[in-house]
Amino acid sequence: EAGVTQFPSHSVIEKGQTVTLRCDPISGHDNLYWYRRVMGKEIKFLLHFVKESKQDESGMPNNRFLAERTGGTYSTLKVQPAELEDSGVYFCASSPIQGGANYGYTFGSGTRLTVV
Amino acid sequence: AQKVTQAQTEISVVEKEDVTLDCVYETRDTTYYLFWYKQPPSGELVFLIRRNSFDEQNEISGRYSWNFQKSTSSFNFTITASQVVDSAVYFCALSEPYNQGGKLIFGQGTELSVKP
Repeated sequence: EAGVTQFPSHSVIEKGQTVTLRCDPISGHDNLYWYRRVMGKEIKFLLHFVKESKQDESGMPNNRFLAERTGGTYSTLKVQPAELEDSGVYFCASSPIQGGANYGYTFGSGTRLTVV
Repeated sequence: AQKVTQAQTEISVVEKEDVTLDCVYETRDTTYYLFWYKQPPSGELVFLIRRNSFDEQNEISGRYSWNFQKSTSSFNFTITASQVVDSAVYFCALSEPYNQGGKLIFGQGTELSVKP
């Protein structure tokens, strides 16, 4: 079984540019979560999809961040325009049923975003 | 509110020493799960253990062991005879109940450096 795949693994962009991160969950996993770790701080929840619907987006920092999950398969997280404080590692995780953490999350390897 | 505290920001040990990483959590839920993840220098999140709130038995896996004590709301992680390959950032996390989405609340992480 393929794991959770994230693209790209690294991205370096200039302040003001746009970046799109992609996450391919494990096939059949309805739940998809985005998290990020800003340098030296804790990993923070961004949002949770159940299929194509946003179940919880309480962690999205501001309206420069837009997440989509068309068709309930892969998800994208767009940052537009990027700011310096957006630098960090963005993780995606998927789970087969509601309440993923209780039954098993699978994390991707993350996208390291650097805004210069 | 749920919270996870890892008071040790950085720990440095010499190879073969034992080391304990502390984790204290806060929750009002009676059912919850606790996790430990490892983030090596390569960046991915590696799952180490999941423990539910009704199982207070300590667990041992090779050189790793975990001590879960509900009375003190702690879930500490011990590495016995540490090795250089154990160098990483270690995160403790608490899950929301499954009917609230199941997202993870992470501690700030403990950066462990094991020197030869």
